[in-house]
Amino acid sequence: GEDVEQSLFLSVREGDSSVINCTYTDSSSTYLYWYKQEPGAGLQLLTYIFSNMDMKQDQRLTVLLNKKDKHLSLRIADTQTGDSAIYFCAEIQGGSTLGRLYFGRGTQLTVWP
Amino acid sequence: EPEVTQTPSHQVTQMGQEVILRCVPISNHLYFYWYRQILGQKVEFLVSFYNNEISEKSEIFDDQFSVERPDGSNFTLKIRSTKLEDSAMYFCASSPTLAGGETQYFGPGTRLLVL
Repeated sequence: GEDVEQSLFLSVREGDSSVINCTYTDSSSTYLYWYKQEPGAGLQLLTYIFSNMDMKQDQRLTVLLNKKDKHLSLRIADTQTGDSAIYFCAEIQGGSTLGRLYFGRGTQLTVWP
Repeated sequence: EPEVTQTPSHQVTQMGQEVILRCVPISNHLYFYWYRQILGQKVEFLVSFYNNEISEKSEIFDDQFSVERPDGSNFTLKIRSTKLEDSAMYFCASSPTLAGGETQYFGPGTRLLVL
């Protein structure tokens, strides 16, 4: 399967934590990514996780992977107004030849001051 | 920091016209990609390119599309006879290797509007 699903919107207050969730269907996924897109800009890689890992932490970002449930989440600690953007979950499936990425629809994160 | 660049940032064209979208990948990268995002929809893979040939293409990438690496720096996407439904943001990406989940670095995109 190729479906990567995300909720479309999330609003949080500045200083709170944000959790953006993603589900995928391909159990052979090898790498899963989080990209950020600010208005008018391209896709910026935030972080990625290999499928044999459960968790990865990078400063304010924590990625959790539940391979059994095919669920990926991105937690942003101490969310700032500058974190307002669209966040895309993406996967590379096990059968991919050259790293074809499958994207979710994106979650629009709005951070209120 | 090296980055992928794309030109033009915006392109407006009439239905049936040919357009060429240009990309300059990061200089030591070997793998090149085009994706597109129709407004409100998912980012979709179009094509991957390695060693001067197409490696994989999606069902979207039909005969009206072609890619080329005309010299050592540019990577182009040509749409021969544009349709209204080709209106989208087109992203170019490049990757140095495929090892270890090495990521694809994306350009800022070209917004194509077909009238």
